[in-house]
Amino acid sequence: SAVISQKPSRDICQRGTSLTIQCQVDSQVTMMFWYRQQPGQSLTLIATANQGSEATYESGFVIDKFPISRPNLTFSTLTVSNMSPEDSSIYLCSGGQGGGYTFGSGTRLTVV
Amino acid sequence: DAKTTQPNSMESNEEEPVHLPCNHSTISGTDYIHWYRQLPSQGPEYVIHGLTSNVNNRMASLAIAEDRKSSTLILHRATLRDAAVYYCILRDFRGSTLGRLYFGRGTQLTVWP
Repeated sequence: SAVISQKPSRDICQRGTSLTIQCQVDSQVTMMFWYRQQPGQSLTLIATANQGSEATYESGFVIDKFPISRPNLTFSTLTVSNMSPEDSSIYLCSGGQGGGYTFGSGTRLTVV
Repeated sequence: DAKTTQPNSMESNEEEPVHLPCNHSTISGTDYIHWYRQLPSQGPEYVIHGLTSNVNNRMASLAIAEDRKSSTLILHRATLRDAAVYYCILRDFRGSTLGRLYFGRGTQLTVWP
């Protein structure tokens, strides 16, 4: 199965700024996704990162706040824009072909 | 959009079998049943998946009811390392939700030494 490297692993950011999270997959994968996980909660799907086209966002998430890029089949970025303390969370990427998906280790974001 | 129901928590003793149930009464014919687990401070880890037949791999077994409205993840001998949140998820291959995984609350498994 694919291995995903996600960075940064954690960051503390000032409100009003933006942070870009990167995910690199060690093999080409058809599907890539971005999730958010609040402490003690389950994962919430933010969007599907589509290669060569705009991401598909879930209800409650918009491109202006969470722009996503996927320039090829092994790489994707998620930007958290104009951050507020409510954006403090763990952000995870995921990818795969058929079968099971692999997840990155997550980015723990704290906004102060 | 999670369409599965799992107990909030379960407990087991080390080296005993564990049966984690999942109900998915609204499953469609194209939905695969997936199980993932998440250890503390880690991303979810794929465990097993199936469509209709029971499945076995090195981590676990998946028993799927004949009507597919429920399934059970079986850990044959629990270890302390198996303590995690286990998620039962239906993977939809239709239309706009192609291949997406929607996580529910999962079952917190505690393993006692």
